[in-house]
Amino acid sequence: QSVLTQPPSASGTPGQRVTISCSGSSSNIGSNYVYWYQQLPGTAPKVLIYRNNQRPSGVPDRFSGSKSGTSASLAISGLRSEDEADYYCATWDDTLSGNVFGTGTKVTVL
Amino acid sequence: EVQLLESGGGLVQPGGSLRLSCVASGFTFSSFAMNWVRQAPGKGLEWVSGLSGSGDSTYYADSVKGRFTISRDNSKNTLCLQMDSLRAEDTAVYSCVKGGHPLVKGYGLDVWGQGTTVTVSS
Repeated sequence: QSVLTQPPSASGTPGQRVTISCSGSSSNIGSNYVYWYQQLPGTAPKVLIYRNNQRPSGVPDRFSGSKSGTSASLAISGLRSEDEADYYCATWDDTLSGNVFGTGTKVTVL
Repeated sequence: EVQLLESGGGLVQPGGSLRLSCVASGFTFSSFAMNWVRQAPGKGLEWVSGLSGSGDSTYYADSVKGRFTISRDNSKNTLCLQMDSLRAEDTAVYSCVKGGHPLVKGYGLDVWGQGTTVTVSS
């Protein structure tokens, strides 16, 4: 049972904006960087956002991350069919002394 | 290009042991923390263990603490995971994952290997 809670699913039509939330606590999101990962079907996860809101080179600027208090969000603007994937937030938890992942959100492009 | 190649997975009976290995290339291995992350069939990601670049700091998920041991050989660019007292719930794809910093704590994960499958069943 994860300490980071995400909605199980999100959807939108091509071109729309979709937002995924990640809810935690003061021992994890509240005091550490948040990372976001995209897992396309049948592939290994790939980092989309690091240190709350930074994009690695090669990640389109349609993806953006933010953090406020003990919650974080990933926004996908201009939704495309190739964005259909599972998305996970992650951070360090000071109480558990380990990395923790969110429960994951499946994004569907209608 | 960063490459991580895992091996050592297989079928093992409950209570048995397996040793996973990961050979890294394309980066200065000793300068980065390394982790193991697993994904059970149809389930989400679960972080298993992490080890600092120097090898002097180790971390484990509560679910594997006391049963799994992470180690690295920086001279051979190799990461290992010794898994003992295996249980059915340890069945998953285990992936070797590069960290973004020499330290494990707080610096995230950035490149995944393709993984090796571990099945614990009688």
